[in-house]
Amino acid sequence: KNQVEQSPQSLIILEGKNCTLQCNYTVSPFSNLRWYKQDTGRGPVSLTIMTFSENTKSNGRYTATLDADTKQSSLHITASQLSDSASYICVVSSDFSGGYNKLIFGAGTRLAVHP
Amino acid sequence: EAQVTQNPRYLITVTGKKLTVTCSQNMNHEYMSWYRQDPGLGLRQIYYSMNVEVTDKGDVPEGYKVSRKEKRNFPLILESPSPNQTSLYFCASSLTPGLAGEWQYFGPGTRLTVL
Repeated sequence: KNQVEQSPQSLIILEGKNCTLQCNYTVSPFSNLRWYKQDTGRGPVSLTIMTFSENTKSNGRYTATLDADTKQSSLHITASQLSDSASYICVVSSDFSGGYNKLIFGAGTRLAVHP
Repeated sequence: EAQVTQNPRYLITVTGKKLTVTCSQNMNHEYMSWYRQDPGLGLRQIYYSMNVEVTDKGDVPEGYKVSRKEKRNFPLILESPSPNQTSLYFCASSLTPGLAGEWQYFGPGTRLTVL
């Protein structure tokens, strides 16, 4: 069964600290992996997209890594800010036939950054 | 400004009263999709549309209908809402469905409560 599992479920850190969120997937065939940020009450916003051949991608203070062999990804947030408080969702795109790629969503990690 | 809009943002209704949630995008995207988000679960796809007049079921289509008569609009119809359809709903669009390099844009969400 295609699944995306994220850990931890929730996390509290102090402003200025770094943190790493984990994503394990059992999706096949694999096309690409995305990380989204979702503020409370808002729609998800894309942070990064990585294909099979990419093992790291950055977007400002956000750095995503991908190990396609172990089917694991991580999202590292550097020097956290209060505005980083949000849910972070890992999404894996599966390459179905007929040109349609299905997106499989993880349940998300809820991050709270405290002053 | 490139965006996906949804209306209404909040809706409280009663069991059995038909309702429609509208979704519109201004990016000339071919692919549009509806998701529901429930606590502790990842976003689950309800229906998607590859182009005008082309729609198909997602993972949780029961109790919902959609139509795609114009490229920009993709309304979600609940013919006879039930309390288990109480959820947060998101419309999303992209140029193609989930291919690498293609960002998916989400609407702001519609919080629906069915009493």
